[in-house]
Amino acid sequence: QVHLVESGGGVVQPGGSLRLSCAASGFTFSSNPMHWVRQAPGKGLEWVAVISSPGTNTDYADSVKGRITVSRDNSRNTLYLQLSRLTDEDTAVYFCAREGYTSADNWGFLDYWGQGTLVAVSS
Amino acid sequence: QSALTQPASVSGSPGQSITISCTGTSSDLGAYTYVSWYQHHPGKAPKLLIYGVSNRPSGVSNRFSGSKSGNTASLTISGLQAEDEADYYCYSYTSSHTYVFGTGARVTVL
Repeated sequence: QVHLVESGGGVVQPGGSLRLSCAASGFTFSSNPMHWVRQAPGKGLEWVAVISSPGTNTDYADSVKGRITVSRDNSRNTLYLQLSRLTDEDTAVYFCAREGYTSADNWGFLDYWGQGTLVAVSS
Repeated sequence: QSALTQPASVSGSPGQSITISCTGTSSDLGAYTYVSWYQHHPGKAPKLLIYGVSNRPSGVSNRFSGSKSGNTASLTISGLQAEDEADYYCYSYTSSHTYVFGTGARVTVL
């Protein structure tokens, strides 16, 4: 079965950086685009980024553009997120999610999610 | 990238049907069929309920159904059950090649 496990969360100082990982198993990791989604305390879900299946293309939310790099290592079945110049607005649970695909006309949905890892930006 | 607009809360009695609306623009929800819905119980991983506007993944109850008209998508939950109490989010691809969630709707079973 599909399994996604995020790691790397914790307390980070304002202005600092973080690197999160998402270990995938139970499917052919190199076949699916992958996404990062976050949820700040008491707020809704916010889409953060997507990376294509080979890792050659990325797209980012405006709220993190210029501060974020998403990458993947298909040989290690692992997705990464690097975020710099952190502020308290980056405090959130960060989820990785697999993009599903059923046909050329049916894609872009998130069919499997990890449990999330909490990042707290605090001095 | 403004969030899609959902009502903050929707409630109903057990057995009733409720509908959650999701309003976007002609640059996102109105332009594509790449619209999906998620159920989120706090502290857990979100769960896919509907994809491609109205398709249900295997294992999702047929009490959940989706539709779209113009710039507004809708999720209907029929035969409301206590376990349906959760947050619900719509989600759409956008013309900027990004994605956007709705503001989220808290469903309460009275």
